[in-house]
Amino acid sequence: DIQMTQSPASLSASLGETVTIECLASEDIYSNLAWYQQKPGKSPQLLIYDASSLQDGVPSRFSGSESGTQYSLEINSLQSEDAATYFCQQHHDYPWTFGGGTKLELK
Amino acid sequence: QVQLKESGPGLVQPSQTLSLTCTVSGFSLTSYNVHWVRQPPGKGLEWMGRMRYNGDTSYNSALKSRLSISRDTSKNQVFLKMNSLQTDDTGTYYCTRDYDYWGQGVMVTVSS
Repeated sequence: DIQMTQSPASLSASLGETVTIECLASEDIYSNLAWYQQKPGKSPQLLIYDASSLQDGVPSRFSGSESGTQYSLEINSLQSEDAATYFCQQHHDYPWTFGGGTKLELK
Repeated sequence: QVQLKESGPGLVQPSQTLSLTCTVSGFSLTSYNVHWVRQPPGKGLEWMGRMRYNGDTSYNSALKSRLSISRDTSKNQVFLKMNSLQTDDTGTYYCTRDYDYWGQGVMVTVSS
């Protein structure tokens, strides 16, 4: 199975700041990576697909990038509604696997 | 619009079988794949298996011996059955259309 190592596990930042969350794939996943936002009691919502494509309706302050097997989610100009847990997911090979999650807290 | 909705019992006894239904609208099961993903309370996400648009299935090897996914295209429904449930199967179960649309999830508690 492909392992997705996500970091950090938790993050605290202030309104207006920029944060970066990373996922390292254990092998090449050829950009087949999605980023999700999940709020308590809700299902995950797709933010980014194919590593860097913004899902319709998602604010442009969210962006994704890649470097080799390292994938990053950047959130610019943090807003209060960005407080959530973020997950990465590879959909290159079965079983699809997820990162462990990053809990983002707003100061 | 695309919608998925899970339904099933909220409480299952240990060693019993879990049966869940995912009812979809806004797309055809013969054009898109539907997956099942679960999440234990306060923990991460685990991909369980997939019903492909052509009727083929794939399963997580960790669950394969206990898991079955089927569908009824006339009713726009995908079904999950998992037997020999234990307490660590407690969690929220989601159906998803590939990776873009997710259902609201259904909480399943395994307890006597």
